[in-house]
Amino acid sequence: AQTVTQSQPEMSVQEAETVTLSCTYDTSESDYYLFWYKQPPSRQMILVIRQEAYKQQNATENRFSVNFQKAAKSFSLKISDSQLGDAAMYFCAYSQYTGNQFYFGTGTSLTVIP
Amino acid sequence: KAGVTQTPRYLIKTRGQQVTLSCSPISGHRSVSWYQQTPGQGLQFLFEYFSETQRNKGNFPGRFSGRQFSNSRSEMNVSTLELGDSALYLCASSLGDGISSQHFGDGTRLSIL
Repeated sequence: AQTVTQSQPEMSVQEAETVTLSCTYDTSESDYYLFWYKQPPSRQMILVIRQEAYKQQNATENRFSVNFQKAAKSFSLKISDSQLGDAAMYFCAYSQYTGNQFYFGTGTSLTVIP
Repeated sequence: KAGVTQTPRYLIKTRGQQVTLSCSPISGHRSVSWYQQTPGQGLQFLFEYFSETQRNKGNFPGRFSGRQFSNSRSEMNVSTLELGDSALYLCASSLGDGISSQHFGDGTRLSIL
């Protein structure tokens, strides 16, 4: 079974600084998708970034980038120039290549300090 | 384009009752997935519907059921409610092609007294 592990329940970062959130996963598949979702107190899950496993290039979306290490089954999220609006719960998620069933990590609560 | 709409936003029920939650996907999306989010268990997959058929199912008891209509709107039903069913229920829609990302609604907060 696929599992997703986020070992950092809480993280904090100074405004304008950079923070990295960790995620590891376990799968026997070779093709799959990885995601980072953000859930602010408003509780809506917002897609931050996604990575296709067959792509070697790390995905980037503005201030958000990932470090995808397929062999190590690691998928970390780097947030640059942190802003107050980045404060939220961040979930790492895995999806099989041909399915819509997501496996989520337990989340990392990010606090941004002004 | 309107997002995923879930109704109601809040619901209070008592043990033994049943409840129906509704999810309207983004226009054009044919896949609807349901998740249960609790502080202890995190986000857990309930099931996915695609073109009115259940395509994937998580490890939840038969008290949890769902259906999807021809307009892709989906309902989730929980019968014989238990205290442990208190949770945020999230619905997500996508094109269902296995490539497109899922888009989530704001969820329904279900509290069992």
